[in-house]
Amino acid sequence: DVKVTQSSRYLVKRTGEKVFLECVQDMDHENMFWYRQDPGLGLRLIYFSYDVKMKEKGDIPEGYSVSREKKERFSLILESASTNQTSMYLCASSPTDRGTDTQYFGPGTRLTVL
Amino acid sequence: QKEVEQNSGPLSVPEGAIASLNCTYSDRGSQSFFWYRQYSGKSPELIMFIYSNGDKEDGRFTAQLNKASQYVSLLIRDSQPSDSATYLCAVTDNYGQNFVFGPGTRLSVLP
Repeated sequence: DVKVTQSSRYLVKRTGEKVFLECVQDMDHENMFWYRQDPGLGLRLIYFSYDVKMKEKGDIPEGYSVSREKKERFSLILESASTNQTSMYLCASSPTDRGTDTQYFGPGTRLTVL
Repeated sequence: QKEVEQNSGPLSVPEGAIASLNCTYSDRGSQSFFWYRQYSGKSPELIMFIYSNGDKEDGRFTAQLNKASQYVSLLIRDSQPSDSATYLCAVTDNYGQNFVFGPGTRLSVLP
């Protein structure tokens, strides 16, 4: 079974802090994604990566950056956390094989910024 | 801007009835279509995927795709209270890398 893990289930940070959210997948998937999910807004793509050291902006990249130094690990960084970044953050991975190109999600990190 | 639309619900059906969830998408080049189920406080989990026009059945679930109408649906037969969740429709392009999710439809199955 594909396993996607995220470093924390719940996280509380203060405004202005630098926040690291880590995601690890164990299926050698090329593609990795970071979303945030807010009530009424659905899943919104922040950043994604097709390969090591590759990154592409999603729909809402402002205030975020990412790092992918190893294939299995994709980190989301909030350079200076703000209250409007309080949200559920979901990491996902997928293979490049078009025949089985679904996304597998991690359990999510619920971040609260005070 | 590629869009995927769903009725937000809530959609309420009695136990044992058929629940019908609908999704429309704007990009005619979309190739793959997925239905995810998400329980409150949990991450989405894949229920079904469909690539070709027509119906695809898996147990109590049937996905229906009509590319000409840019429409995909999910039918849940013999609905159970445990089916109560938010159902997300997702669509990808020809490369299978760019996923676009709908806002989700909240389903409530009443015992």
